[in-house]
Amino acid sequence: DAGITQSPRHKVTETGTPVTLRCHQTENHRYMYWYRQDPGHGLRLIHYSYGVKDTDKGEVSDGYSVSRSKTEDFLLTLESATSSQTSVYFCAISPLAGESEQYFGPGTRLTVT
Amino acid sequence: GESVGLHLPTLSVQEGDNSIINCAYSNSASDYFIWYKQESGKGPQFIIDIRSNMDKRQGQRVTVLLNKTVKHLSLQIAATQPGDSAVYFCAEKRGNQFYFGTGTSLTVIP
Repeated sequence: DAGITQSPRHKVTETGTPVTLRCHQTENHRYMYWYRQDPGHGLRLIHYSYGVKDTDKGEVSDGYSVSRSKTEDFLLTLESATSSQTSVYFCAISPLAGESEQYFGPGTRLTVT
Repeated sequence: GESVGLHLPTLSVQEGDNSIINCAYSNSASDYFIWYKQESGKGPQFIIDIRSNMDKRQGQRVTVLLNKTVKHLSLQIAATQPGDSAVYFCAEKRGNQFYFGTGTSLTVIP
C-alpha cells in the first residue's frame, strides 16, 4: 500500500456512540478520499479532500463528517453511529487534479451493534 | 436512474487462457474509466485507466477497451495466472469524484 495507513483496522461500537477513523499518508498527495464498501454496492464515496481544510461531500455523506488539518491526515467521524454504518471503510489518496490514479489503504472494518 | 459499472458477478477461466471482464455504464460525462483489482482482505489496487477520448490502452498483460457508442468498457487479461484471482471493479471519474461498479469475481482454475 502506497504509504497509506488506516487506524483502527477493526472496531466494534454501540449504536449512538461517536467513532473516528484515521487515514494517514506519507506520500504528500493532495487528494484524499473516504469510501465505504458494502456487499452489492461496490465502493461509494463518502467525503473527499482537495487540500488542507478543503473538503467536499460524496454520494453517501449523510451521518459522516471529515476533517483535514494536515496534509497527511484525513479523519472520518461518525457523530452517532447507526447499524446502517456497519461497513468496511477505505481511505484513498491521489496526487494530482485531473488524474485518475488512486491508491487505497488496507481498510477499517467497523461493526455497529 | 443513473447506473455505473454493471458487472457480471462471477467469471471462471482456465490458467493460461485470456480473461475478458466487462462493464457497462450510463453516464457519458466521465473523464476517465479505471479498472481496479481487489484481493480478499485488501484495498483495491489500480490496474489501468483510459481517458474518455480514447478507445484502447494497453498495459503489462492487460488491455482496456472503451466503446462509447454502446457505453461499454472491458478489461482483457492475457495468459491468466492464479495470482489474477480477485474481484475486479470498473470505475468512472467525473470531476473530483469516482463512481465504482459492484465488481466481477474472477476465479482462475489451475
